[in-house]
Amino acid sequence: EVQLVESGGGLVQPGGSLRLSCAASGFTFDDHAMHWVRQAPGKGPEWVAGISWGSTRVEYADSVKGRFTISRDNGENSLYLQMDSLRAEDTALYYCAKDRWGGNSHWSYFDLWGQGTLVTVSS
Amino acid sequence: DIQMTQSPSSLSASVGDLVTITCRTSQNIGSYLNWYQQKPGKAPNVLIYDASRLQTGVPSRFSARGSGTTFTLTISDLQPEDFATYYCHQTYGNPTNSFGQGTKLEIK
Repeated sequence: EVQLVESGGGLVQPGGSLRLSCAASGFTFDDHAMHWVRQAPGKGPEWVAGISWGSTRVEYADSVKGRFTISRDNGENSLYLQMDSLRAEDTALYYCAKDRWGGNSHWSYFDLWGQGTLVTVSS
Repeated sequence: DIQMTQSPSSLSASVGDLVTITCRTSQNIGSYLNWYQQKPGKAPNVLIYDASRLQTGVPSRFSARGSGTTFTLTISDLQPEDFATYYCHQTYGNPTNSFGQGTKLEIK
């Protein structure tokens, strides 16, 4: 089955850290760029970070730059998001999403999404 | 940064109607514009990519056009399953991905 399954969300205090994981199956993982997209309650999606198929291109939204790190392990068909210095405004459902293309020169649209993992930043 | 403005933010319509949603960008993004549908409790699902190309499996009552700074999504012959929230999404500029604020389509 073609799917993405996120894990690692939870409740964390402001200033804390969390590592999200996304397990991919059913497609050739290392052919595609991957992204993290978050959605705060009642809000629209917000792109967080993207990584090309071979990890040569990595980009972040300004809101998380310097605090979040995206990475991937093509041997394990897995995507990760290390989140440090978390803030209340990082509270959201975090989705892993597959890019239509490899992402070396340009991102494309997201043609497969996971079900999301909830991150809550609160004291 | 590229600003995206979707209109209207909400829309009431009836089954069988034709509706149009507009997305405007603050600068020219060519055809790097996609449209997603999101239903409550679900992830977004791509309908249209590259401004006007219908994603495989999406009904032909969905269509889109535009380039540059103005884009439209049209749904003809609305069906009950079409009532959802719709987002435009650009992949051209910096930030390299951004979404519109959404249009909630409700049953009249």
